[in-house]
Amino acid sequence: DSGVTQTPKHLITATGQRVTLRCSPRSGDLSVYWYQQSLDQGLQFLIQYYNGEERAKGNILERFSAQQFPDLHSELNLSSLELGDSALYFCASSPHTDKSTEAFFGQGTRLTVV
Amino acid sequence: GQQVMQIPQYQHVQEGEDFTTYCNSSTTLSNIQWYKQRPGGHPVFLIQLVKSGEVKKQKRLTFQFGEAKKNSSLHITATQTTDVGTYFCATPNDYKLSFGAGTTVTVRA
Repeated sequence: DSGVTQTPKHLITATGQRVTLRCSPRSGDLSVYWYQQSLDQGLQFLIQYYNGEERAKGNILERFSAQQFPDLHSELNLSSLELGDSALYFCASSPHTDKSTEAFFGQGTRLTVV
Repeated sequence: GQQVMQIPQYQHVQEGEDFTTYCNSSTTLSNIQWYKQRPGGHPVFLIQLVKSGEVKKQKRLTFQFGEAKKNSSLHITATQTTDVGTYFCATPNDYKLSFGAGTTVTVRA
């Protein structure tokens, strides 16, 4: 158990809909990352927050947005969903100190758009 | 930003044999991390290498960071079926943690 909690584990929704994925980081970790992993693909970086502020953005679509709340949990919002958005979405947290940047991943949310 | 390239993309190994997977960058890396993702699972942090020429071992896994800090390798000896999965290298760049494409390992019993 990494200590990172993601909900829901599975999500099936129709094209055009909007969903929210939730992530609770490990206790004490200030940094949260979101990654997308399509079938048999690598980990595509979407966005990163540090202590409530957006710090880095990857190739995240305009239809996608995220935020990190004061209690450090994060949400990834996906709207106007398309079939191609079907993927595993991982959240990871990190202490993100000078000496410790390793990421701890949640179990992921498997999104299926039909 | 910094990107890391991993080779090979796929590695089919006979049980009991050794193999090595490589992670290369065109720029100097501050550190390199390795993760393992089992089929159907999530990436799990294995190790972080920081120093030039650093070598670390975890049982049958040996991790090495190149002298120029531009490449890294993971060597597995006496491969077992439990080694099946995808091995990723990753490097932090500012606030982004960039992953290589991974080496997917299958094992023939």
